[in-house]
Amino acid sequence: GNSVTQMEGPVTLSEEAFLTINCTYTATGYPSLFWYVQYPGEGLQLLLKATKADDKGSNKGFEATYRKETTSFHLEKGSVQVSDSAVYFCALPRNTGNQFYFGTGTSLTVIP
Amino acid sequence: SAVISQKPSRDICQRGTSLTIQCQVDSQVTMMFWYRQQPGQSLTLIATANQGSEATYESGFVIDKFPISRPNLTFSTLTVSNMSPEDSSIYLCSASEFNEQFFGPGTRLTVL
Repeated sequence: GNSVTQMEGPVTLSEEAFLTINCTYTATGYPSLFWYVQYPGEGLQLLLKATKADDKGSNKGFEATYRKETTSFHLEKGSVQVSDSAVYFCALPRNTGNQFYFGTGTSLTVIP
Repeated sequence: SAVISQKPSRDICQRGTSLTIQCQVDSQVTMMFWYRQQPGQSLTLIATANQGSEATYESGFVIDKFPISRPNLTFSTLTVSNMSPEDSSIYLCSASEFNEQFFGPGTRLTVL
C-alpha cells in the first residue's frame, strides 16, 4: 500500500540556514502529496501540497517538488527562522478511503 | 477549509476512569477520523467515525476501549475507556474534505 519514509530527526539549525527534510514515497499511481506542520502544543496544519508529478507546492517560504523519477517530495526552505521550530510530517492518502498515511515526523529546532 | 475544535484541550485523569473528547467541525463533512499521537511519535489512526453507523476501527483498536459516536455530519466524540498510563497521548480529530485532511488542536491526555 501507499506509504512514506521520512528523514529522522531531530534537526537543529542556526537562523538563516538552509533546510532540507527528506521524504520518499511508495504509491499506487500518483496520489497527492502533503507536508503538515505541528507547532509546539498545537494540532497539525497543512503546510503545502502537490497534486501531480512535477508540481511544486509552496507556502511560508517552504517548497517541495513532486518528483516521480525519484519518488520524493523533499521539503526545503532557503532561510529558516526561529518561528519555524516545529515538527514536520510528510503524508499521502492511503490506497482506499480518505485516510492519510503520515511519516514519522521530523523535529526542527532553529536557534538564534 | 474546515475549522475543527476539540474539547477538552487537555486533561489529567486517574487510572480506571473514562474520558469523552468532543470534536466539532464548522461545516458538514463526509469523513471524520480520530488519531492518537503518543509522545514523540507520529500519528496512528484509531478509527473512521461513520455518520449514523458504527465506527470503522484500525487493527489494534477496539470499540470497547475507544467507543466513538457520530450523530451528524459536524460532530463526533471519542471515549477513552478504563484508562491506564499507556493511554497518555494526544488525541486528534480530523476531517477530510476535497482530498485534504484538516485537524483539530488535539486533546492532551495524561493518565496517572
